[in-house]
Amino acid sequence: NAGVMQNPRHLVRRRGQEARLRCSPMKGHSHVYWYRQLPEEGLKFMVYLQKENIIDESGMPKERFSAEFPKEGPSILRIQQVVRGDSAAYFCASSSSPRRGFAEAFFGQGTRLTVV
Amino acid sequence: GEDVEQSLFLSVREGDSSVINCTYTDSSSTYLYWYKQEPGAGLQLLTYIFSNMDMKQDQRLTVLLNKKDKHLSLRIADTQTGDSAIYFCAERVSNYQLIWGAGTKLIIKP
Repeated sequence: NAGVMQNPRHLVRRRGQEARLRCSPMKGHSHVYWYRQLPEEGLKFMVYLQKENIIDESGMPKERFSAEFPKEGPSILRIQQVVRGDSAAYFCASSSSPRRGFAEAFFGQGTRLTVV
Repeated sequence: GEDVEQSLFLSVREGDSSVINCTYTDSSSTYLYWYKQEPGAGLQLLTYIFSNMDMKQDQRLTVLLNKKDKHLSLRIADTQTGDSAIYFCAERVSNYQLIWGAGTKLIIKP
């Protein structure tokens, strides 16, 4: 039973390009959460998705950022027209239910985005 | 607003106990968590404590919660080189939202 898989592990983009980050949740998990970690800061909540639905995107910037979790395939976090300030580690977590909070959630290894 | 504070570094000798401290602000938090992040790796849930508990012990790990002072600590007994990592404290503010500290880097001296 593979854990939460994120790819790529490292991504380098030039300013103005698009970044696509993928997250495959653990088998049987239908809840996905994306967090962003800026250097020397804690993680910040971005978005919570269930299959085909965005439940809460209150932590996601209104422009350039979007997320989806289709019926088939991984969850995608998309950043359009990247800027240097988007450089961060992006973590995905998944759970089978949010009821017990993160006691039953598992994190991926993260994607480290560098914008040059 | 909500905030979680941790010191950025802690240095201990191998074999000693490590105590990592954390303060939080949301008195309605139901769960408080400790995560471990090793270099280049993801976040591993180490332990968590429910807000109606004062202490939780799990092998070498002891979590103490002082609700009055909103203070959480993680004690690692007999610290080993494999314990070198960044330790994050986080408080649950909703079913799916955690507020995270900036992490404490634990450095082990031989």
